[in-house]
Amino acid sequence: EVQLVESGGGLVQPGGSLRLSCSASGFSFSYYVMNWVRQTPRKGLEYVSSIISDGGSTHYADSVKGRFTISRDNSKNTLYLQMSSLRTEDTGVYYCVKDRRGVAGTIFDYWGQGTLVTVSS
Amino acid sequence: DIQMTQSPSSLSASVGDRVTIACRASQTISTYLNWFQQKPGKAPKLLIYAASSLESGVPSRFSGSGSGTDFTLTISSLQPEDFATYYCQQSYSTPLTFGGGTKVEIK
Repeated sequence: EVQLVESGGGLVQPGGSLRLSCSASGFSFSYYVMNWVRQTPRKGLEYVSSIISDGGSTHYADSVKGRFTISRDNSKNTLYLQMSSLRTEDTGVYYCVKDRRGVAGTIFDYWGQGTLVTVSS
Repeated sequence: DIQMTQSPSSLSASVGDRVTIACRASQTISTYLNWFQQKPGKAPKLLIYAASSLESGVPSRFSGSGSGTDFTLTISSLQPEDFATYYCQQSYSTPLTFGGGTKVEIK
């Protein structure tokens, strides 16, 4: 059974930093593209970032580019999101999402339960 | 960015009803369209991918159709466990974008 378990969320002041982790099990983690997707009160569901299987290529939404860094440790089956220069509009639930890619394009087939990030003074 | 617009934003229906939710893309996306179901406090769950392919384990009362810019999710006979919010999402081009959601409530 595929399991994705996020951790690391919490309350942080504007301008602060936070690192999210996602522990994966039940599938061959090192074979798959992985993503972060967030759900915010202002914008709803929003793609944040993705990383290819070997970590050699990453992609970011414009809204987080230069502030967030995605990474992975395939030896630990773990995905990370380092968030810095946080803004109030970054407040939301952050989901770790497995990616099944093929001729049908990118398919977000498994999601973690989410971790809440609150940016507030 | 491709904008995804869902309608209606909410609807009330009874158990056994046929329910249809529409999703429109701001430009053509072929059939690169996925549908998700989300219940309160839970993560989204994939229902339909590539516009009309049913994800494994999803009941056959769910179906999807459409191509280009206009898509539909249909629930043929609404069940109590189907009351939730439904989202469409395009995977044609980055950034991948989601619709604003359709909340299906009990009448």
